[in-house]
Amino acid sequence: KAGVTQTPRYLIKTRGQQVTLSCSPISGHRSVSWYQQTPGQGLQFLFEYFSETQRNKGNFPGRFSGRQFSNSRSEMNVSTLELGDSALYLCASSAGTSGNYYNEQFFGPGTRLTVL
Amino acid sequence: AQSVTQLDSQVPVFEEAPVELRCNYSSSVSVYLFWYVQYPNQGLQLLLKYLSGSTLVESINGFEAEFNKSQTSFHLRKPSVHISDTAEYFCAVSETPGTASKLTFGTGTRLQVTL
Repeated sequence: KAGVTQTPRYLIKTRGQQVTLSCSPISGHRSVSWYQQTPGQGLQFLFEYFSETQRNKGNFPGRFSGRQFSNSRSEMNVSTLELGDSALYLCASSAGTSGNYYNEQFFGPGTRLTVL
Repeated sequence: AQSVTQLDSQVPVFEEAPVELRCNYSSSVSVYLFWYVQYPNQGLQLLLKYLSGSTLVESINGFEAEFNKSQTSFHLRKPSVHISDTAEYFCAVSETPGTASKLTFGTGTRLQVTL
């Protein structure tokens, strides 16, 4: 099976712009989670989508949003970019089975966003 | 809310020496515990996990971790490291099966193995 893919791998934007990042999960996986990784704050959970619905949410401002399509691909959008949004954005996919089951998360290589 | 503390930001060690990367967590409920490894310019790879049962868990490449509930710790150990183990290691916790996708990570420990 192909792994989790993220596009683009690198992105440079300026303050005030908006950006859309894409994540294609492993075939058959229905859950996609997004994380932000910065040197100062480390790895922080943004949100999780399952079957096109946001299932979990972290503590990020409303400028960060996401969505999931019927084929489980997910996009993350950041509006009105700030310098502090420069980070590695990782997505992870899992089977996402609900109930008392553990579903391993598989991470993509990330998108490196630089805001100038 | 849960939290994870990795006490060492960097751990230098010589090849073939033993190593321990420390991880402590805080949570008011039962947790799942994980160690992830990140190589340069790559995403995270699951190294090992504790869900339930035996408190000692092992990975295929010689790492092991022991869940200690009384000390709220999940330290990672390897008896003999290799150059290829040089990477960033993250300890993580999730509170319930249903939120296993919502991982709380520690700040990471950079393991630097030298000859």
